[in-house]
Amino acid sequence: SQQGEEDPQALSIQEGENATMNCSYKTSINNLQWYRQNSGRGLVHLILIRSNEREKHSGRLRVTLDTSKKSSSLLITASRAADTASYFCATERGAQKLVFGQGTRLTINP
Amino acid sequence: DVKVTQSSRYLVKRTGEKVFLECVQDMDHENMFWYRQDPGLGLRLIYFSYDVKMKEKGDIPEGYSVSREKKERFSLILESASTNQTSMYLCASSLAGSSSYEQYFGPGTRLTVT
Repeated sequence: SQQGEEDPQALSIQEGENATMNCSYKTSINNLQWYRQNSGRGLVHLILIRSNEREKHSGRLRVTLDTSKKSSSLLITASRAADTASYFCATERGAQKLVFGQGTRLTINP
Repeated sequence: DVKVTQSSRYLVKRTGEKVFLECVQDMDHENMFWYRQDPGLGLRLIYFSYDVKMKEKGDIPEGYSVSREKKERFSLILESASTNQTSMYLCASSLAGSSSYEQYFGPGTRLTVT
């Protein structure tokens, strides 16, 4: 069963704009992770936020976590063409496994 | 630099063939995973392994088996390939006991069964 659900399913913006993606989940978590997948490739880990954190930054990425609403958001600032990819949130499902959402397809237009 | 490699990027097989997908990681990770990824369905876990010779079924194990004879290698086997197994297959590994469960992925194998 899918734990995380991303929203929107697809997002298209102009280069230089900010992109925001959201993830909702159902059960309590210890942490939430975001991954990126370039077309036809494997997933790459971007950032992890723990349940006792509200916000975390890494370069142009900002992740927020609201455990009361069971939701997280990923903000990419000053987007670039190279940010075109699918983005997935992932939460643990016990026994060291992760469950991934279906992803947001982000397209950055030049 | 951590690395997970998969034996093929693209593979075309015929219905009924036995198919082997190989995954190797060089990070001394205990945990290894096989997923398939299909449009609209996201990543679905097929099998995972916590250690050599250990395996557990994931969400969609039917039609698949796995083998882990060495710590660094995790093989996915399609006993008799069918067209509904046409998909992108992703292998991943993670460190046991890690509090984050962060997974490292290979580049994927796009399998077409005709």
